[in-house]
Amino acid sequence: GAVVSQHPSWVICKSGTSVKIECRSLDFQATTMFWYRQFPKQSLMLMATSNEGSKATYEQGVEKDKFLINHASLTLSTLTVTSAHPEDSSFYICSASHVASGRPLTQYFGPGTRLLVL
Amino acid sequence: AQTVTQSQPEMSVQEAETVTLSCTYDTSESDYYLFWYKQPPSRQMILVIRQEAYKQQNATENRFSVNFQKAAKSFSLKISDSQLGDAAMYFCAYGSSNTGKLIFGQGTTLQVKP
Repeated sequence: GAVVSQHPSWVICKSGTSVKIECRSLDFQATTMFWYRQFPKQSLMLMATSNEGSKATYEQGVEKDKFLINHASLTLSTLTVTSAHPEDSSFYICSASHVASGRPLTQYFGPGTRLLVL
Repeated sequence: AQTVTQSQPEMSVQEAETVTLSCTYDTSESDYYLFWYKQPPSRQMILVIRQEAYKQQNATENRFSVNFQKAAKSFSLKISDSQLGDAAMYFCAYGSSNTGKLIFGQGTTLQVKP
């Protein structure tokens, strides 16, 4: 149980285009999904938290207009990198968790998406 | 603000031996969770073990166990009978019961020698 998928796993795009990454919880309903960014050999940096049906909460320093997050259902969240530039090239990871009795539970992670902007 | 510190950037262990990875954290919250995640070369984050702060008993999962010292804010991971497949980057993480967010340490790369 607790499987999270991400699509695509690899994407190469031209500078100035937009890229959408999907994150799905396959066998549970995710009340909360998180988006992280990770540079090689570094830790995960939280970008934003999204709750189903409400606006995402962005971490300090993360541009909300550049990284659009939508959490349309309890099993799907999307991250759109708008007008991508080479400095947006990175590894993006989503995670999903659900709440029981008012307590957030363990986060389960997707396999990640490697984005390369040329 | 909460912080998590992993002071060992790299560790190595001989196959079948035991290794301990260190983690300390700082928080003013009374209700929280602690986790160890493993990230192999595939970069898939895999949950290794989870500890609720209100539980005194140390969590164990097969060959993996933790030493949770709440007063010292220490949360180390012990891997027994190390296997080649244990080679990975290990992240200690603090989970806030308030926000559900995770705060990760810098990571420890574990090498397992045959």
